[in-house]
Amino acid sequence: GDSVTQTEGQVTVSESKSLIINCTYSTTSIAYPNLFWYVRYPGEGLQLLLKVITAGQKGSSRGFEATYNKETTSFHLQKASVQESDSAVYYCALGDPSSFSKLVFGQGTSLSVVP
Amino acid sequence: ETAVFQTPNYHVTQVGNEVSFNCKQTLGHDTMYWYKQDSKKLLKIMFSYNNKQLIVNETVPRRFSPQSSDKAHLNLRIKSVEPEDSAVYLCASSIGTGGQNTLYFGAGTRLSVL
Repeated sequence: GDSVTQTEGQVTVSESKSLIINCTYSTTSIAYPNLFWYVRYPGEGLQLLLKVITAGQKGSSRGFEATYNKETTSFHLQKASVQESDSAVYYCALGDPSSFSKLVFGQGTSLSVVP
Repeated sequence: ETAVFQTPNYHVTQVGNEVSFNCKQTLGHDTMYWYKQDSKKLLKIMFSYNNKQLIVNETVPRRFSPQSSDKAHLNLRIKSVEPEDSAVYLCASSIGTGGQNTLYFGAGTRLSVL
């Protein structure tokens, strides 16, 4: 089956420093998967941060970027300069375009941005 | 306001009891889902409905049964809860059924089984 592995556990970064949360995926589908980053801010529900449905493309939102790399089967999330407001839990997810939607999520990465 | 609404936010019960969770979406979407988030924060799909029809049914114990009265509502009933059912249950919706669709999530229902 499909699986997603991302940077595990808690990540602490100082404000204005750069961030990378790793995400790699595995799929048994003949189709290239669609890739997503979801985020849960404190006190809020899970929401889409960005998505890329075409291999080789880059998605961006709120200063975050992720590039769909089919050679390395990766979709790492990056930001050049994080803010305290970026503190949240981030989930990488995969969707198979050839079947009914059932997103497969990574285990989540809790980001804490400190002053 | 258009969104996905879940009730209750939190429920505490004892082993063997029956519980029901409600979900309503006002986004006009055709597809709705139930996901379970366990104590390790892992999110896994349980069920998916499209226009009241069950389209995804993952390996879930038979004590779990989804119920859809129309495409805007998807409830979840658990007969005779077990300790391992303690989790956060997330309802979501999307426009279509394909894997490229964005999911819109509710705030979740946290179940504690004593």
